[in-house]
Amino acid sequence: RKEVEQDPGPFNVPEGATVAFNCTYSNSASQSFFWYRQDCRKEPKLLMSVYSSGNEDGRFTAQLNRASQYISLLIRDSKLSDSATYLCVVNLGSYIPTFGRGTSLIVHP
Amino acid sequence: DGGITQSPKYLFRKEGQNVTLSCEQNLNHDAMYWYRQDPGQGLRLIYYSQIVNDFQKGDIAEGYSVSREKKESFPLTVTSAQKNPTAFYLCASRLAGEEKLFFGSGTQLSVL
Repeated sequence: RKEVEQDPGPFNVPEGATVAFNCTYSNSASQSFFWYRQDCRKEPKLLMSVYSSGNEDGRFTAQLNRASQYISLLIRDSKLSDSATYLCVVNLGSYIPTFGRGTSLIVHP
Repeated sequence: DGGITQSPKYLFRKEGQNVTLSCEQNLNHDAMYWYRQDPGQGLRLIYYSQIVNDFQKGDIAEGYSVSREKKESFPLTVTSAQKNPTAFYLCASRLAGEEKLFFGSGTQLSVL
């Protein structure tokens, strides 16, 4: 079983839609969690950290479920510019982040 | 401006040739990482270094070598032993005690 698993998609949604991605992790000792955004053939950029209590940044909401070992990312009111690959990242606490393969999102007019 | 710089942007390797990818940062970050990304795949860790003059193998170190003689520099050599080197290579750095990674813009390596 892979350490960090994501549905590769693509998720194809119209502008204005709400879309959610999940990411599961296998190591229950994982300590910190992040979502990065990567545009095609560009470097990943931190989108948001994921806290136990859940956190929101504008149209983006991240949640952590430690019991079921998954994190989620919800995007409301999707924009064309949200089209990208969203990478789930898990840290074991040794500062060696493990990346999922990413979920591709395509927002169309 | 502070940042992390990778060069070249595109690199071509001939059979049996070693090539070196450059990664320089002026963020005063302690830790540096090299990742490989294949199409449709996530990032896989090649090597990482938490401090100067020390580095550790990641998940796919075979066929690669690194050095960390200076804090700001972490070059990656792709040796002839790496039989399938075509990929997008990303360098990242991190400040000690923080978890956010800063990435360079990547090097696309292809085999001629």
